[in-house]
Amino acid sequence: NAGVTQTPKFRVLKTGQSMTLLCAQDMNHEYMYWYRQDPGMGLRLIHYSVGEGTTAKGEVPDGYNVSRLKKQNFLLGLESAAPSQTSVYFCASSYSGNNYEQYFGPGTRLTVT
Amino acid sequence: AQSVAQPEDQVNVAEGNPLTVKCTYSVSGNPYLFWYVQYPNRGLQFLLKYITGDNLVKGSYGFEAEFNKSQTSFHLKKPSALVSDSALYFCAVRAYSGSARQLTFGSGTQLTVLP
Repeated sequence: NAGVTQTPKFRVLKTGQSMTLLCAQDMNHEYMYWYRQDPGMGLRLIHYSVGEGTTAKGEVPDGYNVSRLKKQNFLLGLESAAPSQTSVYFCASSYSGNNYEQYFGPGTRLTVT
Repeated sequence: AQSVAQPEDQVNVAEGNPLTVKCTYSVSGNPYLFWYVQYPNRGLQFLLKYITGDNLVKGSYGFEAEFNKSQTSFHLKKPSALVSDSALYFCAVRAYSGSARQLTFGSGTQLTVLP
């Protein structure tokens, strides 16, 4: 099993450009999540999904959109990138239920200039 | 609202000595508590979790954590630290029930084990 994979690993964008980050999991997990990690702030939840075709806002959703058209994939979009979105982005997945741990991907390092 | 506090940004310990990484939490009702570890340029890896039952939870790589309901704490411990334990450690909490599916993370504690 590959677990949770993320594409791309690194990306540099200019302000105003758009991009999509792809997350894929092969563990048949119902729940999927997108986080951003910034120094000294831990991980903050951007959006999450509790099943195919469903999405919900997390703690810091502004400037991002998501889609979960297939159970195994969770896409994070930036329509108009801003320097404040420079961060490391992590995708995670888990079984349904609050008692299950999350499995994380390796991360995408995004720089917006 | 739920929250997690990791009061120490940095913990240094000598190899072979016991280590403790502190975590306190706030949540409505009973908590699910988790510890994760992050090595440089990697994603987070699950270490252990408290769901219910025994207050002392054992996890991966010889780590354990003690749930203390009265002090709302879930400190991570290891009897004898290794240099390879040096990493960034995150505590996280989630509500036991209700619609809150969000896992709230602390800000992280950088553990350095000195040879």
